[in-house]
Amino acid sequence: DTGVSQDPRHKITKRGQNVTFRCDPISEHNRLYWYRQTLGQGPEFLTYFQNEAQLEKSRLLSDRFSAERPKGSFSTLEIQRTEQGDSAMYLCASSRRNDLGELFFGEGSRLTVL
Amino acid sequence: GQQVMQIPQYQHVQEGEDFTTYCNSSTTLSNIQWYKQRPGGHPVFLIQLVKSGEVKKQKRLTFQFGEAKKNSSLHITATQTTDVGTYFCIYAGGTSYGKLTFGQGTILTVHP
Repeated sequence: DTGVSQDPRHKITKRGQNVTFRCDPISEHNRLYWYRQTLGQGPEFLTYFQNEAQLEKSRLLSDRFSAERPKGSFSTLEIQRTEQGDSAMYLCASSRRNDLGELFFGEGSRLTVL
Repeated sequence: GQQVMQIPQYQHVQEGEDFTTYCNSSTTLSNIQWYKQRPGGHPVFLIQLVKSGEVKKQKRLTFQFGEAKKNSSLHITATQTTDVGTYFCIYAGGTSYGKLTFGQGTILTVHP
């Protein structure tokens, strides 16, 4: 399967702990996006990369969130000092084109903060 | 700032009835994409519209982009139970212009 893969698929953690999610995009896809989706809501934009450059970050993200894509391939999203409000599905998507092409989504990483 | 409203929020139809969802923007859009998310699933790409007045069809689905590129619609003819899910428009914006933002979504339920 050469689709977008995300790991882990599920994460349960205690409030205050740090968590990290990994996304492996489709090979050779230049753009990589992170979204957060809570139950019954649409995905909210968090950040996106073009190759290794992080081009935009949502104001929704506090300083506890950080994302990297060091070699322009896989990406990580880290949440420090998790809060219950961070519980959500974290979706990663990649795109082949630099001019706003189709997004291919992974299955998501579901975070539950107790 | 850019405002895109997607309506309706919910739509309940009987199988065989038609369904339409709309995305309306306060500013001109460069392009618009439509996605479907099944319950428990992830968004899946349906179509991208780029040109003013563009109309595209996929079997029972018809997508339109307004002449002013400020609104778009997705119309499903003769809904089936397999059409159940949430339909989102996605539009570009942001300071870097690569930010892709979801509309609020329309949740479609189809009663057999």
